[in-house]
Amino acid sequence: DTEVTQTPKHLVMGMTNKKSLKCEQHMGHRAMYWYKQKAKKPPELMFVYSYEKLSINESVPSRFSPECPNSSLLNLHLHALQPEDSALYLCASSQAGTSGGYEQYFGPGTRLTVT
Amino acid sequence: AQSVTQPDIHITVSEGASLELRCNYSYGATPYLFWYVQSPGQGLQLLLKYFSGDTLVQGIKGFEAEFKRSQSSFNLRKPSVHWSDAAEYFCAVGRTGANNLFFGTGTRLTVIP
Repeated sequence: DTEVTQTPKHLVMGMTNKKSLKCEQHMGHRAMYWYKQKAKKPPELMFVYSYEKLSINESVPSRFSPECPNSSLLNLHLHALQPEDSALYLCASSQAGTSGGYEQYFGPGTRLTVT
Repeated sequence: AQSVTQPDIHITVSEGASLELRCNYSYGATPYLFWYVQSPGQGLQLLLKYFSGDTLVQGIKGFEAEFKRSQSSFNLRKPSVHWSDAAEYFCAVGRTGANNLFFGTGTRLTVIP
C-alpha cells in the first residue's frame, strides 16, 4: 500500500476560524512532510517530521502549527489565516534519513480557501 | 547548494508524438533525481527515480529518463504521448543532509488530438 490519505479534500475557512488538516500513511515511513502549493508553482516545503520529531521548519508563520501524534499521522493546525494562505496543502511521507535519496509519496492534497 | 532548472514552462505535443522534458541540476556529488507528475488539483505521483548505476531509468506509464553527468541533465522521455499524459511535470533533486526534495519550477504538458 503506497497510499497517503488527506482530509478534508476541500476546506473553506474565515480568518478567525481554527481548523485542522489531517494526513495518514500506513507504509511504515518515519518521515512526514507538509508542503504548500500555489497555482502553477512547485510545492514549497513547510515542515518535516522525522521519527515523530520536528526536524525542519522552513520559517513558516506561527498561524500554522504542525503536530505528529504518532508515526502514521500528521496534522496541520490552522488559526487566524490570511487570504494569501489559500493554496493546495500536500502531505507526503518517506523513509527517514539524511541521504536525500528517499522518494516521497504524496497525498491528494487539501484545497484550502481563506475568506 | 542543490538546484533544479526546468527550462520549458509549457510544451504542447500531438497525441502519438514523442516527448522530451528537460531537467538540469546543480549539485556537487552524485545526485538523487526524481520525476513527478501532477494532474490538475491532485497530488504528485512518482514517475521514476535515479540513485546510481544504469543511467537510463525506466518508470511507470511508459516514461524513461536518462542521467547525463557531463550535461548535468536528467531529461524525461516518452516515445508516444497519450492524451492522459497532459499534466504538470516536476523534476526534483534529493537534498542531502536533510530528508527533503528540491523541486524545479515544473513543465506543463498539453496534448492535442
